[in-house]
Amino acid sequence: AQRVTQPEKLLSVFKGAPVELKCNYSYSGSPELFWYVQYSRQRLQLLLRHISRESIKGFTADLNKGETSFHLKKPFAQEEDSAMYYCALYSGGYQKVTFGTGTKLQVIP
Amino acid sequence: KAGVTQTPRYLIKTRGQQVTLSCSPISGHRSVSWYQQTPGQGLQFLFEYFSETQRNKGNFPGRFSGRQFSNSRSEMNVSTLELGDSALYLCASSQGTGNEQYFGPGTRLTVT
Repeated sequence: AQRVTQPEKLLSVFKGAPVELKCNYSYSGSPELFWYVQYSRQRLQLLLRHISRESIKGFTADLNKGETSFHLKKPFAQEEDSAMYYCALYSGGYQKVTFGTGTKLQVIP
Repeated sequence: KAGVTQTPRYLIKTRGQQVTLSCSPISGHRSVSWYQQTPGQGLQFLFEYFSETQRNKGNFPGRFSGRQFSNSRSEMNVSTLELGDSALYLCASSQGTGNEQYFGPGTRLTVT
């Protein structure tokens, strides 16, 4: 069965500091990983997906199959990055999307 | 394109009652998924419908059910409501399961 783990419920960083939101997954097949973000009073929305290999709002995430991780990183945190972040795994074999429990990022001014 | 819409936005029910929530996906999207979001449990998958067929189901009791109509609109029903069912219920649509999901604003259900 597939599983997504986000070990931190809350991550607090100072503005300008680097950010790393951790995501580990378990899936025996070839995964597709996503990061979704939910800003205050806004809808949950896609931030980025690993197959696109792009940087969105300064965030990047690299799929590490050896460590089964897909950590979200940003070199310098901004106050507007404060939000809830969810890592999600699409398992083609099961045709199913599994979300992690989410990490709340709090950027301290 | 209009986004995913959910009705009603807020609902207050009493224990033991039943409730039906509605979701209208983005035009052209055939997959609709439902999630329960709570502060303690995060986002939990309820079920997914694709072309009127339930394709996946999460670990929720049988009191939670759903369906999808030929126009891809979906409804979710919860019978015999319990206090623990109080949550934000999110609907998401996509062109297919592995594609980007577009979320609705959610229905806030409060069970008293």
